[in-house]
Amino acid sequence: DVVMTQSPLSLPVTLGQPASISCRSSQSLVYSNGNTYLHWFQQRPGQSPRRLIYEVSNRDSGVPDRFSGSGSGTDFTLKISRVEAEDVGVYYCMAAAHGIPSFGGGTKVEIK
Amino acid sequence: EVQLVESGGGLVQPGGSLRLSCAASGFTFSNSWMTWVRQAPGKGLEWVANIRPDGGEKSYVDSVKGRFTISRDNAKSSLFLQMNSLRAEDTAVYYCARDPHYSALDYWGQGTLVTVSS
Repeated sequence: DVVMTQSPLSLPVTLGQPASISCRSSQSLVYSNGNTYLHWFQQRPGQSPRRLIYEVSNRDSGVPDRFSGSGSGTDFTLKISRVEAEDVGVYYCMAAAHGIPSFGGGTKVEIK
Repeated sequence: EVQLVESGGGLVQPGGSLRLSCAASGFTFSNSWMTWVRQAPGKGLEWVANIRPDGGEKSYVDSVKGRFTISRDNAKSSLFLQMNSLRAEDTAVYYCARDPHYSALDYWGQGTLVTVSS
């Protein structure tokens, strides 16, 4: 099964400044059909997880455009162009298509 | 509006059993893959199991194989997780989620807490 490694573990950010989260997989996430099934989830304090981005870069309806996803192969990134107070929480990447799906360990975004 | 409502959590002794339920509404349940994800207190997310729309294909994370069984009742739009031989390390909030395509879990329930302790 694929192992997902996120960094950093904790990310203190000043309001209005950008933030970037890295997610690396132990093997290429390109599936046999050419698609890459790497998704990003946000979990605000005390809430259930919420999907932000699916298949690397497709932003969900209602997700602000300050969130963007990119990457390929084994290296992926979630970027927040200008962090707002409501962005505080833990962010998880998740890989599917090779064996059992697996989540990264999470990155906690907090305001400095 | 899509809704997923979990129930059935609680306190159980090590070695005991519990059956979780997830009531779904607002979408065609019988056409949807469904998944259970858990989160131990203060920890990250862990994918637990999923099931095909017709119930004919199921997958499990290694740590629960042989102890947990995922099932569904499409007539009642309900998902279940039968948990046997429970261990302290199974203590977690259990979420059900809809899987529209390759684990891109687009809707999640509020979760139900399972505590395994003597």
